[in-house]
Amino acid sequence: QITLKESGPTLVKPTQTLTLTCTFSGFSLSTGAVGVGWIRQPPGKALEWLALVYWDDDKRYSPSRKNRLTITKDTSKNQVVLTMTNMDPVDTATYYCAHYNYASGSYYIDYWGQGTLVTVSS
Amino acid sequence: QSALTQEASVSGTVGQKVTLSCTGNNRNIGSYAVGWYQQISHGAPKTVMFGKSLPSGIPDRFSGSKSGTTASLTISGLQPEDEADYYCSTWDYSLSAQVFGGGTKLTVL
Repeated sequence: QITLKESGPTLVKPTQTLTLTCTFSGFSLSTGAVGVGWIRQPPGKALEWLALVYWDDDKRYSPSRKNRLTITKDTSKNQVVLTMTNMDPVDTATYYCAHYNYASGSYYIDYWGQGTLVTVSS
Repeated sequence: QSALTQEASVSGTVGQKVTLSCTGNNRNIGSYAVGWYQQISHGAPKTVMFGKSLPSGIPDRFSGSKSGTTASLTISGLQPEDEADYYCSTWDYSLSAQVFGGGTKLTVL
């Protein structure tokens, strides 16, 4: 049974760096053809993809956010960490981590975490 | 502005068949399978379809299809519990990134 859970601060100040941790169980990120990614959703708005790390440590970032994002994995701890620099109130959102599986020629999300709401305010 | 285009809202009555669409281009939907995600009352999303594959536990009234650069999610025999926001998503090779649609609010009348 695959589960993922996000953790981190609920409130950050503008210009600070946000660090979120996704702790997962039921799979290993050293196993082939899997990945863990981050998606966010501002209140009342659509889902926005942020970043993805694959089992082989290959990484992909949203082109519009890549200069602010870093994603890393710690296989021994079953964790994936996302950092986002220079936080702004428009970054207020629920942040989700997700498990990616490979099928039909591409990776897709099959499991989602419960999400964590991050508010950016002074 | 989302890379994939979805209807803002769709409605149907209990038992009806409804189809949600997701339009992209040759760099995304035209090249990769599409995932569909259900979000009920702003809770965590849940995967209800990938390509034509139904995840475990999802009722078989959900089905997926694709024609060219448009993907569709069809719900046959609409149920009250299907009322939710639905998002489509796929990979875009020119962006080397995952892209989402703006979401469709499905209302069950």
